[in-house]
Amino acid sequence: QKEVEQDPGPLSVPEGAIVSLNCTYSNSAFQYFMWYRQYSRKGPELLMYTYSSGNKEDGRFTAQVDKSSKYISLFIRDSQPSDSATYLCAINTNAGKSTFGDGTTLTVKP
Amino acid sequence: GAGVSQSPRYKVAKRGRDVALRCDSISGHVTLYWYRQTLGQGSEVLTYSQSDAQRDKSGRPSGRFSAERPERSVSTLKIQRTEQGDSAVYLCASSGQRWDDYGYTFGSGTRLTVV
Repeated sequence: QKEVEQDPGPLSVPEGAIVSLNCTYSNSAFQYFMWYRQYSRKGPELLMYTYSSGNKEDGRFTAQVDKSSKYISLFIRDSQPSDSATYLCAINTNAGKSTFGDGTTLTVKP
Repeated sequence: GAGVSQSPRYKVAKRGRDVALRCDSISGHVTLYWYRQTLGQGSEVLTYSQSDAQRDKSGRPSGRFSAERPERSVSTLKIQRTEQGDSAVYLCASSGQRWDDYGYTFGSGTRLTVV
């Protein structure tokens, strides 16, 4: 079993929809939770970062962490075609080593 | 430059040959990953090194993959005896050491095709 499991997708939604991207993890030592966005032919770029249970909001994006369930989510409100990309969750231990999910490819149709 | 750069951008290799891929990471960053993305198998970490220039932790799939770090901000991923299954995008990523700097900065990747 992988340490980080990500809903595989792909996801296709109409413009304006709310998108939910999800990962589960198994290692209780994980403390830092990140979401990366990767456009085609580009490397991933850090989108959001959090280290506590609860919600963190940044514009149309909300990262949610539930440590008791070992479950993290990224919500995108009012999705736009420019949000079409692959989204990767990544989780760190205190030592800084990241474990990545396999990614979910999102397409937002105009 | 301010980012992570990788070279070459594209590489075609004959099966069985060795290849070397270069990564120039961000000055001051101490942790460096080599990471492989394939359509069918998702993403996996190949090697991971932290602080020590010469130490790397080779991961899956086998000992054919190794990384050298002759300078802290330069790393070379070496793939021995390439196989067709090695065709993938190889990403380099680096990060600093501060607790709030654990996000990684990625390069744009090298697309390797083994023929």
